[in-house]
Amino acid sequence: DSGVTQTPKHLITATGQRVTLRCSPRSGDLSVYWYQQSLDQGLQFLIQYYNGEERAKGNILERFSAQQFPDLHSELNLSSLELGDSALYFCASSAYGSGNTDTQYFGPGTRLTVL
Amino acid sequence: SQQGEEDPQALSIQEGENATMNCSYKTSINNLQWYRQNSGRGLVHLILIRSNEREKHSGRLRVTLDTSKKSSSLLITASRAADTASYFCATVASGTYKYIFGTGTRLKVLA
Repeated sequence: DSGVTQTPKHLITATGQRVTLRCSPRSGDLSVYWYQQSLDQGLQFLIQYYNGEERAKGNILERFSAQQFPDLHSELNLSSLELGDSALYFCASSAYGSGNTDTQYFGPGTRLTVL
Repeated sequence: SQQGEEDPQALSIQEGENATMNCSYKTSINNLQWYRQNSGRGLVHLILIRSNEREKHSGRLRVTLDTSKKSSSLLITASRAADTASYFCATVASGTYKYIFGTGTRLKVLA
């Protein structure tokens, strides 16, 4: 158990809908990362937050948005869902988000299925 | 496109044998990390090697880094069935915070 929690574990929805994925980082970690993992695209870095502020942005679509709240939990919002958005979405946390020495601790993931 | 590319994409070995997987990347890095992922589960950090290190050991794991060739290798010695998983390298390009994961090597260890 990494100490990172993600809810829900599974989500099934229809095209055009909007969903929210939630992540609670390990106790004491200030940085949160979101990743998308699909069979054809591998593990794609979406976005990173550090202590409530956006720190790095990767291949995140404009239909997707995220935020980190004062209590450090984070939410990833996916809107206007398309079939291709079906994937595993992982949240990870690290102590400082420095990119130099930080180890990331991954949550169990949310499996999103768009029908 | 992914910065990290693992090679081979898949590897099948017998228990007790050694497994070697390679990772190549494209830009200057501060460090390189290896992660393991059991099927459909979250990634687990294995080892971190800094750009000024050439080799690092952790238990049955040995990681090398060649910054001149922009490549790294992960060696798992005396493999066990429990080592069956996908292995990913991850890098952060110097001057950025963006993590880039490789495409992964799927390792299968046969009992």
